[in-house]
Amino acid sequence: DAGITQSPRYKITETGRQVTLMCHQTWSHSYMFWYRQDLGHGLRLIYYSAAADITDKGEVPDGYVVSRSKTENFPLTLESATRSQTSVYFCASRAQENSPLHFGNGTRLTVT
Amino acid sequence: GQQLNQSPQSMFIQEGEDVSMNCTSSSIFNTWLWYKQDPGEGPVLLIALYKAGELTSNGRLTAQFGITRKDSFLNISASIPSDVGIYFCAGTTGANSKLTFGKGITLSVRP
Repeated sequence: DAGITQSPRYKITETGRQVTLMCHQTWSHSYMFWYRQDLGHGLRLIYYSAAADITDKGEVPDGYVVSRSKTENFPLTLESATRSQTSVYFCASRAQENSPLHFGNGTRLTVT
Repeated sequence: GQQLNQSPQSMFIQEGEDVSMNCTSSSIFNTWLWYKQDPGEGPVLLIALYKAGELTSNGRLTAQFGITRKDSFLNISASIPSDVGIYFCAGTTGANSKLTFGKGITLSVRP
């Protein structure tokens, strides 16, 4: 039971580069989410998806793009990375509205 | 928007002690969840609460959904070193599928 996996675990990139963080879940959960975690801010929602081909903005969507062509995958793309996007990114999923979130182990992204 | 307040930011206790953490909001929530995050890992669900007044235990952990639906608490009894980590409360209002998180409390346990 693989659950929810994120890749890569660590990534260093330069300002202005495009970078994609991957998220894959094996539960066929409808809902998937991307959060970023920063000191002093806790977990902030970037984007979420209620089903394949349905995505919506969260609290801090600027500078990010998502897609959900398949239920099991929810990649997050930084189109032109900035230093302020240095963070730990967590993907999460849940089966239905109001059921608990299950998190991946995160991707630590550093933008130099 | 909805905000969940957790304080203090850090707590330091002695091994064997009990500890209680609060989570409060000015908004009404329909579900309350408590998560724990170990260093280098994602948050893991500890307890989920779905009804006002609900009291649920998971081993040494007990959590309650406040009657006003604006707060929840988590108790850890007889703390052990592996209880160290960040404890987040989270909740949904039911109006949408988004989960709101508190900023977390970092718990340290002295042996």
